[in-house]
Amino acid sequence: NAGVMQNPRHLVRRRGQEARLRCSPMKGHSHVYWYRQLPEEGLKFMVYLQKENIIDESGMPKERFSAEFPKEGPSILRIQQVVRGDSAAYFCASSRNPGQRTEQFFGPGTRLTVL
Amino acid sequence: TQLLEQSPQFLSIQEGENLTVYCNSSSVFSSLQWYRQEPGEGPVLLVTVVTGGEVKKLKRLTFQFGDARKDSSLHITAAQPGDTGLYLCAGAILTGGGNKLTFGTGTQLKVEL
Repeated sequence: NAGVMQNPRHLVRRRGQEARLRCSPMKGHSHVYWYRQLPEEGLKFMVYLQKENIIDESGMPKERFSAEFPKEGPSILRIQQVVRGDSAAYFCASSRNPGQRTEQFFGPGTRLTVL
Repeated sequence: TQLLEQSPQFLSIQEGENLTVYCNSSSVFSSLQWYRQEPGEGPVLLVTVVTGGEVKKLKRLTFQFGDARKDSSLHITAAQPGDTGLYLCAGAILTGGGNKLTFGTGTQLKVEL
């Protein structure tokens, strides 16, 4: 997973605050996926983005969550008005153009704690 | 909804033993990937299998994709303490919307001296 960068690594927020998680894909990758790992649960897909486009957001909660991947800069996962249930590890993965053998490489994650 | 069941969920063995982890689903996948995750870190890709019946070897690790592309196994020969970790299988279905991964439930492996 060398090359996919996420920051911050740890984020503490109080209920009602906003959380912004950033992801810089590997060099040469223009496809970004966000996953969430809740305590004692597996990794779950949230959203898939290409530069300036959201391709699949079927795993995103309907409210308070949004994601973007601008032409310049990192992908951002934004959580508004955080609640305790948002506490989790959020992972970003990047890939080249999707194909049958296309592999996704993960970043180290951002661990969000909501107090 | 595609589900991937892994077994066993937990495995504690002695150094030098062999083990097999299974990943099963009722869904067909375009490809299947195996990852290993350490505490506090992101999943690290071990292998990708694509063709039904495909077998890949990575040193002491052998990965197999089922003929129908619904299941997979990971076999570790002569396990070492460095193999300790959470092993995750993940299936991908390639569509116009990319190849998002459906992760298995995970197998926590502990190899003791």
